[in-house]
Amino acid sequence: DTAVSQTPKYLVTQMGNDKSIKCEQNLGHDTMYWYKQDSKKFLKIMFSYNNKELIINETVPNRFSPKSPDKAHLNLHINSLELGDSAVYFCASSQWWGAGKPLGEKLFFGSGTQLSVL
Amino acid sequence: AQKITQTQPGMFVQEKEAVTLDCTYDTSDPSYGLFWYKQPSSGEMIFLIYQGSYDQQNATEGRYSLNFQKARKSANLVISASQLGDSAMYFCAMSRAEAGNMLTFGGGTRLMVKP
Repeated sequence: DTAVSQTPKYLVTQMGNDKSIKCEQNLGHDTMYWYKQDSKKFLKIMFSYNNKELIINETVPNRFSPKSPDKAHLNLHINSLELGDSAVYFCASSQWWGAGKPLGEKLFFGSGTQLSVL
Repeated sequence: AQKITQTQPGMFVQEKEAVTLDCTYDTSDPSYGLFWYKQPSSGEMIFLIYQGSYDQQNATEGRYSLNFQKARKSANLVISASQLGDSAMYFCAMSRAEAGNMLTFGGGTRLMVKP
């Protein structure tokens, strides 16, 4: 069983379209994340949710809207896609959030979604 | 704000030799964690090793060891006896006590192992 699964793996779409990427984790973790990896391989946090509540939003445009129906799922919806949105999007999860949590709690990553906006 | 710097965009190493990938960080937090992840060409992110800021000894995991020099704010990854399968992107990352388990990543180093 895949611990963190994202779908689709590849997404090719036209500028202006709306698309969604789904993420599910079966690890029982409380915290989930979306990271964006650009063409230069730089990884940057976009959002973090803890138990369905948004805790980090790193100045991401309003066109990006994460939705967490339950703590095992964190989906990413993108409106009015732009060329600059082309990237690999990674979902990740970890068990802990908050004071007293072990710093060594590693993130488990999904396999990534390659988004290409034409 | 914290910052992670990997100054080597690309490196070559001969198979079976050891290689060191550099990572320096900048934070004013006393409590933080340092991670290394590997990203092969298939794209997945694979956790390699972790070092806590209060850990007295350098972390080791099989062929991976982390050369942690706190005063110099460096956390270099050492891979011993390189294998062809070690060819990949390697990312250093940091977590801070005040930011949950959110990881901030360096720009990565592409390692290529020569046969």
